[in-house]
Amino acid sequence: EIVLTQSPGTLSLSPGERATLSCRASQSVSSSYLAWYQQKPGQAPRLLIYGASSRATGIPDRFSGSGSGTDFSLTIRRVEPEDFAVYYCQQYGSSPYTFGQGTKVDIK
Amino acid sequence: QVQLQESGPGLVKPSETLSLTCTVSGGSISTYYWTWIRQPPGKSLEWLGYIYYSGSTNYNPSLKSRITISVDTSKNQFSLKLSSVTAADTAVYYCARDRLGLPPDYWGQGTLVSVSS
Repeated sequence: EIVLTQSPGTLSLSPGERATLSCRASQSVSSSYLAWYQQKPGQAPRLLIYGASSRATGIPDRFSGSGSGTDFSLTIRRVEPEDFAVYYCQQYGSSPYTFGQGTKVDIK
Repeated sequence: QVQLQESGPGLVKPSETLSLTCTVSGGSISTYYWTWIRQPPGKSLEWLGYIYYSGSTNYNPSLKSRITISVDTSKNQFSLKLSSVTAADTAVYYCARDRLGLPPDYWGQGTLVSVSS
């Protein structure tokens, strides 16, 4: 099973700042099958990024993903008020598909 | 627009079987994979397994002896059964649409299932 470790646990930012979230895998993620989700309280996760760097339909271009192998990152170019949430990475290349423990982006 | 809705009991007794159904609207259940994911309160997400519309399945080995996912194409529904539940199975259960080589894109709103006597 691939273990995903996200860092930091919490990221405190002001609106307009840049956010960089990390996701490290215990072994290589095949075909860069790495996704990022945003989850707000009481809501289902929302797919942001798939294939490590492709934005899902309707996702603003301030969100970008990068990485390959075991190291991946999600960048929010300028954090908007609606971006404060918990972000999860998921690998879907090797069963069982696994999620990271999450990074909370909150308001400084 | 595809929509998914989970339904089932919100309270299950320890050692009994948890049963949930996901109803798909706005599109056919055929052609896609259909997934169950859960999230214990305050914790991260756990992938439980998926079923292809044809009936083939893939389960998380951590649950393999307790989980069954089935599909009813005539009703555009798929279901989850988890046997011998304990308090550790208390979670919000989500159903989602999955595609080969892509992550789940459409999700249900989730339903909280508590395991308690």
